[in-house]
Amino acid sequence: DGGITQSPKYLFRKEGQNVTLSCEQNLNHDAMYWYRQDPGQGLRLIYYSQIVNDFQKGDIAEGYSVSREKKESFPLTVTSAQKNPTAFYLCASADRGSSGANVLTFGAGSRLTVL
Amino acid sequence: GEDVEQSLFLSVREGDSSVINCTYTDSSSTYLYWYKQEPGAGLQLLTYIFSNMDMKQDQRLTVLLNKKDKHLSLRIADTQTGDSAIYFCAEIITSGTYKYIFGTGTRLKVLA
Repeated sequence: DGGITQSPKYLFRKEGQNVTLSCEQNLNHDAMYWYRQDPGQGLRLIYYSQIVNDFQKGDIAEGYSVSREKKESFPLTVTSAQKNPTAFYLCASADRGSSGANVLTFGAGSRLTVL
Repeated sequence: GEDVEQSLFLSVREGDSSVINCTYTDSSSTYLYWYKQEPGAGLQLLTYIFSNMDMKQDQRLTVLLNKKDKHLSLRIADTQTGDSAIYFCAEIITSGTYKYIFGTGTRLKVLA
């Protein structure tokens, strides 16, 4: 079955540590996205990538980094520079086909807690 | 700027209809979407509507789009306890790049 796999589902980090969240998709989608979700604030865009080897900052990119070396993979690193990293992180992907509805498909999410 | 607004909470009785409202700002959006999120899970697409349509019906779901007022609504008929979740509307911005703007989400509570 095609889909998006995020890992780990739960992650605990000490202050000052970098952590990397994995996102893999087998949908053959060109575009991939990372969102952060905090209670009562909806989804905020961290980074997105329209194509391999290219990515753009979203609205809250500070303290985060990404790479897009393969079409299937879009890992997110939460660095020690991110002041308040405790949140639920969602990865998503979309087909860029001109005839489609460009539906965004989500993974199950990763919950990061900083101790 | 780009913004999508929703009310935060809605409570209905089982069997009644639920109506969740959303306003958006970008008149060039080609598609508008409704997603459902259950606790601790990712977002699941419920339905979407193309911007040249006024209405779309899919089983218990009815989407109404008023493009003049930039207003989108989702009606759930015969609401069940399993419909309790957070519902997000979203628009796609395609000018220059593809970005999705999400509302804050409406938490629907269905009372038995």
